Amino acid sequence: GAGVSQSPRYKVTKRGQDVALRCDPISGHVSLYWYRQALGQGPEFLTYFNYEAQQDKSGLPNDRFSAERPEGSISTLTIQRTEQRDSAMYRCASSTTSGGSGANVLTFGAGSRLTVL
Amino acid sequence: RKEVEQDPGPFNVPEGATVAFNCTYSNSASQSFFWYRQDCRKEPKLLMSVYSSGNEDGRFTAQLNRASQYISLLIRDSKLSDSATYLCVVPLGQGGKLIFGQGTELSVKP
Repeated sequence: GAGVSQSPRYKVTKRGQDVALRCDPISGHVSLYWYRQALGQGPEFLTYFNYEAQQDKSGLPNDRFSAERPEGSISTLTIQRTEQRDSAMYRCASSTTSGGSGANVLTFGAGSRLTVL
Repeated sequence: RKEVEQDPGPFNVPEGATVAFNCTYSNSASQSFFWYRQDCRKEPKLLMSVYSSGNEDGRFTAQLNRASQYISLLIRDSKLSDSATYLCVVPLGQGGKLIFGQGTELSVKP
């Protein structure tokens, strides 16, 4: 696609429910990142993929959070048994290469705002 | 020490002023650095990349000091439209893990 697309844009859920957030990166982009951003803070790294391989998941807060990118394109971030503290903007970004000077230049989607009641 | 640290501001400056932000990082192996701009309620967007000692693009200059492990962003002749949050980004190690600072808020006043 022309840009990074995230869905849903807004999600309100009750505590204890599972949620799935979707990211459709720019076509052909190798790397895909997930970040979480609280109001007034910078994006907090969660995890990233090169193609379908999850390279680093050290930023996932606990085992309720998981992510996958099974075919190296669309990715899903899943939060199980949501808690109020999970409320935040979840941002996905993709980049064109996994190495070299073009690496690490991120294009972000508009984000998915999650509210847990 | 945090992996990436920025002064959160806010920096309130008049139009036409010159303003500079600093960002310090802890990982001495980091090779390339980035400044992103984030407008209110929008996604971050790349402003500048810094691969060597520095980079200049119009009114914006980014400099890198490897010995002291900081990068800076200088904005000359600031415009009202420069009002935003400026995020410093540092890759960790040889991989693609990118760490953002908390951002520095700039407000340019008439």
